[in-house]
Amino acid sequence: GESVGLHLPTLSVQEGDNSIINCAYSNSASDYFIWYKQESGKGPQFIIDIRSNMDKRQGQRVTVLLNKTVKHLSLQIAATQPGDSAVYFCAEWPLGDGGGADGLTFGKGTHLIIQP
Amino acid sequence: ETGVTQSPTHLIKTRGQQVTLRCSSQSGHNTVSWYQQALGQGPQFIFQYYREEENGRGNFPPRFSGLQFPNYSSELNVNALELDDSALYLCASSLVGRIETDTQYFGPGTRLTVL
Repeated sequence: GESVGLHLPTLSVQEGDNSIINCAYSNSASDYFIWYKQESGKGPQFIIDIRSNMDKRQGQRVTVLLNKTVKHLSLQIAATQPGDSAVYFCAEWPLGDGGGADGLTFGKGTHLIIQP
Repeated sequence: ETGVTQSPTHLIKTRGQQVTLRCSSQSGHNTVSWYQQALGQGPQFIFQYYREEENGRGNFPPRFSGLQFPNYSSELNVNALELDDSALYLCASSLVGRIETDTQYFGPGTRLTVL
């Protein structure tokens, strides 16, 4: 079946550098994409989302890029801080029609490690 | 913090037993979704409750069941526990309307260990 996946399981960056976390999705019908951050022992925390009618969305220190042509999603974190250490998941909502009955489909996650 | 709470935090059961996990949704949210997260994996959708009825289900057997109450809080029940049921169980609340899907906000989870 179709699923969301991530390119790299672990990403190590220097404090202060920019981080880019990638995600590939295979369901061309997906309409809505979300990035979550999960720290050890906690539930996923919403970071930023994007709908399929957009190709870029910016938040505070974070930017999500969507390339529908190659079905690729990325999360950019500017000036990475120690508190950014976590596992990052991309998730997709296949229908995005307001029902949400299928639930979110998550990838396996990328562990972001910040080096001092 | 999201305002979504779950109880208990941790739970240990033995194979064959039954367990009930609880979730209180964020104020103003009308929908609760449950996910199972195995160690080192992403969350997997179990089911969703909207207006006190199951609104969608993932690939989980019938021994996983749930309830939603008038105050939008929810329970997840698992019967005949198996060792593979050991996982972090996450509850997410959202406000689902007719026009667009709102974001799901997750609680801290309940860590279930089946021995």
